[in-house]
Amino acid sequence: ETGVTQTPRHLVMGMTNKKSLKCEQHLGHNAMYWYKQSAKKPLELMFVYNFKEQTENNSVPSRFSPECPNSSHLFLHLHTLQPEDSALYLCASSQELTAAGLNTDTQYFGPGTRLTVL
Amino acid sequence: AQSVTQLDSHVSVSEGTPVLLRCNYSSSYSPSLFWYVQHPNKGLQLLLKYTSAATLVKGINGFEAEFKKSETSFHLTKPSAHMSDAAEYFCVVSEDSGYALNFGKGTSLLVTP
Repeated sequence: ETGVTQTPRHLVMGMTNKKSLKCEQHLGHNAMYWYKQSAKKPLELMFVYNFKEQTENNSVPSRFSPECPNSSHLFLHLHTLQPEDSALYLCASSQELTAAGLNTDTQYFGPGTRLTVL
Repeated sequence: AQSVTQLDSHVSVSEGTPVLLRCNYSSSYSPSLFWYVQHPNKGLQLLLKYTSAATLVKGINGFEAEFKKSETSFHLTKPSAHMSDAAEYFCVVSEDSGYALNFGKGTSLLVTP
């Protein structure tokens, strides 16, 4: 497979469930991102990893827990979510973040996981 | 802080006619600007990117955008719309510090026969 893949593509879960979203990139990149895309709202950056180290947590509730075991894989662990967390969760990757923290690299996006919380 | 305003939430054009999707940005320094497209049930795909080189940027599928600093605009254009261009388009500006890309709310392009 090429590019950025995400599994599952669709997920329905109850508020007491624990589930995980998986992202894998086959581009040799070193930076990976989680975004949330809700209806009628701009994309919201959730987390950023650069060389497996978390560099940004954009005030995300603790019921979302990211994990980056290596530069190719990124997980988002979900626990006791709320109905308002229903959204499309997008993973992206880019070459790497610069020493200055500037992000001018192109980000490549996966197809997303459509999450519904009942 | 950087922000992006996409001036139209919906644009409808006839096939074969020009496309104009408008974007204004605010940035405290010379920004990097992007246009991404999202087709239904697909991830976002980069159309084009401006990073302080030529002000007229050519992208994929016949799209181009012009960076106008005096107007703080980065409008996306295409001379002739195709049915396959129907999608959601996002204008994006990079932050001058930190790692985030700031996305506009998106413009939904409808192409009619």
